Amino acid sequence: SAVISQKPSRDICQRGTSLTIQCQVDSQVTMMFWYRQQPGQSLTLIATANQGSEATYESGFVIDKFPISRPNLTFSTLTVSNMSPEDSSIYLCSVELPTGTGREKLFFGSGTQLSVL
Amino acid sequence: QKEVEQDPGPLSVPEGAIVSLNCTYSNSAFQYFMWYRQYSRKGPELLMYTYSSGNKEDGRFTAQVDKSSKYISLFIRDSQPSDSATYLCAMSPLTGNQFYFGTGTSLTVIP
Repeated sequence: SAVISQKPSRDICQRGTSLTIQCQVDSQVTMMFWYRQQPGQSLTLIATANQGSEATYESGFVIDKFPISRPNLTFSTLTVSNMSPEDSSIYLCSVELPTGTGREKLFFGSGTQLSVL
Repeated sequence: QKEVEQDPGPLSVPEGAIVSLNCTYSNSAFQYFMWYRQYSRKGPELLMYTYSSGNKEDGRFTAQVDKSSKYISLFIRDSQPSDSATYLCAMSPLTGNQFYFGTGTSLTVIP
């Protein structure tokens, strides 16, 4: 597995502000993923971050709202911009790692609990 | 119709009980099945994974897959209070980066 450190672990923010979430992995990975977990809903993939290229966003998510950086193979940031109460959610960083059998497995960071007032 | 359906619970059982958690899916391309455990204020932790139909056992946990019925289960034997968590099922095709998650089942094991 991997040690995936995510910070902040939680934050309470005012409407209209932005928050940047950091994700640090203890090994080099090609792709890092950002998910959103809203109460009562399944995990939703926001975007895939590749080092050295623009992130790939899923339907319903745009770069202006969720800009992502990927400066190297162990680090990524997700910014939630111009926040509204609808952005209140848990945001999760994840990576795929080989485990010796079959396809890669998906591992998650500890998550960032965001509340927007 | 959602790709993956999971009963959200909540499920409350006495310590020592056998717990059965279930998910159904609609996409026959799913070949890889996972169970995650998520404690409050933590990220999901990979608990078990399997490819094939049948049972896979790991300690007190058994993952069961029935591809013909598109139905997967996680059984927990001799449940402990430390098993209290939300359990997420997840699945994917054998290739690609898309994983499909259930909404999670909240489990409480009462001492």
